[in-house]
Amino acid sequence: AQSVTQPDIHITVSEGASLELRCNYSYGATPYLFWYVQSPGQGLQLLLKYFSGDTLVQGIKGFEAEFKRSQSSFNLRKPSVHWSDAAEYFCALDSWGKLQFGAGTQVVVTP
Amino acid sequence: GAVVSQHPSRVICKSGTSVKIECRSLDFQATTMFWYRQFPKQSLMLMATSNEGSKATYEQGVEKDKFLINHASLTLSTLTVTSAHPEDSSFYICSARRDRGLNEQFFGPGTRLTVL
Repeated sequence: AQSVTQPDIHITVSEGASLELRCNYSYGATPYLFWYVQSPGQGLQLLLKYFSGDTLVQGIKGFEAEFKRSQSSFNLRKPSVHWSDAAEYFCALDSWGKLQFGAGTQVVVTP
Repeated sequence: GAVVSQHPSRVICKSGTSVKIECRSLDFQATTMFWYRQFPKQSLMLMATSNEGSKATYEQGVEKDKFLINHASLTLSTLTVTSAHPEDSSFYICSARRDRGLNEQFFGPGTRLTVL
């Protein structure tokens, strides 16, 4: 069965430090993967997506993600975090046209 | 481009009443729209998928008579929570996709429903 796992429920990072959010998936075919960000009380904004091709994907707001088939992972990274990056981040897998979301990772940015 | 709106953003109602939430794709035609429910501090759970002009497909465990979905046009889908009860209080988010098959979903800003 397909699944998306975000092992870290909560991450605290200092402003200016690097950030990496983990995402592991289970899927029988080539996965189509997404990272979304949600600010409090808001809908979701797409950061980036992977369908095929280059395994290093660039997104908006300085984010990137690397697809690693051998590790069934699609980790999100940002070299230098800004206070405005504090939000909830969701990894998602497209399964027959429907999105299945991970549990989310809450990112807190400290001064 | 690809903006999705929801109305209202917040609604408070009494137990037993019905509430309608609208989801509109403002600058594109959405052949498919999705409705999600999100409880506090939790992830999004897909409730149903609606295709324009046809009946919605509900996920397992979602009461179709409780959550009525209508996708009457390529730019509008509505979710009606009938005879709402406090346990229906939640954050409801819609998304829209341009065409069938693999494509990005664009999300609305969500509607906070509180049932007293």
